[in-house]
Amino acid sequence: DAEITQSPRHKITETGRQVTLACHQTWNHNNMFWYRQDLGHGLRLIHYSYGVQDTNKGEVSDGYSVSRSNTEDLPLTLESAASSQTSVYFCASSPSRQGLYEQYFGPGTRLTVT
Amino acid sequence: AQSVTQPDIHITVSEGASLELRCNYSYGATPYLFWYVQSPGQGLQLLLKYFSGDTLVQGIKGFEAEFKRSQSSFNLRKPSVHWSDAAEYFCAVVENYGQNFVFGPGTRLSVLP
Repeated sequence: DAEITQSPRHKITETGRQVTLACHQTWNHNNMFWYRQDLGHGLRLIHYSYGVQDTNKGEVSDGYSVSRSNTEDLPLTLESAASSQTSVYFCASSPSRQGLYEQYFGPGTRLTVT
Repeated sequence: AQSVTQPDIHITVSEGASLELRCNYSYGATPYLFWYVQSPGQGLQLLLKYFSGDTLVQGIKGFEAEFKRSQSSFNLRKPSVHWSDAAEYFCAVVENYGQNFVFGPGTRLSVLP
């Protein structure tokens, strides 16, 4: 079955280190998204991509970057981890740009920055 | 900019009781609306969605939601709650006819035996 996976599921890192969170989907979806989830804020969009070589900033993109070299993967990089980036990160994908399709979510990565 | 509010941060109901979770949105045009559920430690699962047509939509797990344009609301309902419904529920709206969702802050549902 097609799916969307995230790795690692849990990560502890130190302030200032570079961290990369992986997201891989096997649906061949064009659109992929990264969110962070914090208590009281719901999910906030970090970056998104509508296709290979396409990346865009979301609501809370400062300190994060993404690259899309193929359809299946959208890794999220924290260039220099900060304690404020301790959160749960969700990757999602969807098949269309037309707003008519729901997003499918991965299981999440819990990141702790000490 | 679009926004989604879920006025209730936490709701507790008894098993077998009815449930209504509130969602209000701000958006000028006809919105695309979604309800997602997140069980503890899990990702988000789609419960139901509204694009157009019948304003009462049916979803999985016995949930339904009603779109009321006049009230800018999309409330989620279930006639009889099961203990397994305990989870976090998120309302979301798509902005700009694209794929960028705006999520509400979530409502945590607890179910008493």
